Amino acid sequence: DTGVSQDPRHKITKRGQNVTFRCDPISEHNRLYWYRQTLGQGPEFLTYFQNEAQLEKSRLLSDRFSAERPKGSFSTLEIQRTEQGDSAMYLCASSHTGDEQYFGPGTRLTVT
Amino acid sequence: GEDVEQSLFLSVREGDSSVINCTYTDSSSTYLYWYKQEPGAGLQLLTYIFSNMDMKQDQRLTVLLNKKDKHLSLRIADTQTGDSAIYFCAESFSGAGSYQLTFGKGTKLSVIP
Repeated sequence: DTGVSQDPRHKITKRGQNVTFRCDPISEHNRLYWYRQTLGQGPEFLTYFQNEAQLEKSRLLSDRFSAERPKGSFSTLEIQRTEQGDSAMYLCASSHTGDEQYFGPGTRLTVT
Repeated sequence: GEDVEQSLFLSVREGDSSVINCTYTDSSSTYLYWYKQEPGAGLQLLTYIFSNMDMKQDQRLTVLLNKKDKHLSLRIADTQTGDSAIYFCAESFSGAGSYQLTFGKGTKLSVIP
């Protein structure tokens, strides 16, 4: 296992469309995180899973955002009715014990 | 990132030492981290320090933590052009159970050949 992978790496969509991103964590990592990073900023926490349970959600995660981790392995992040303000890099990280979070390469979303 | 602050830019000559500084506000932080991000890429975990330590060394990297002043620094010895990147300081707090990270805005390190 070479690390956290994310798909797609880039997504361009029109405003109002729905998009879904996938994250595959490092195998046997039971903790999975989603972050969002906009230009010139550090990543901001969106949500956290321990196994299949979504245990924390940031206030940044509006009702248009939903995340799942159905079998405690890969996770998906869906954004419905995208807005231009959703344009950002979406980063996934995984961890075994919580002290070391390893990040994937990110999915860059552009909403036109 | 409002709880973690970093200077935005640092420029050093190749071969010199770089020191990147960070201040944080949450005295309950459990771990403090340094991540490196190259253009268009994700974040690479460089090193981290537990909050009851005051120093950690790992090859060319030295982390110093002053818990009283809530100040964290990363020293890179013998800086190389490949070290040019954005460096993020981050803190985590275990009390909520998630160890979610709070990041600064990043320090862009430019290494002059």
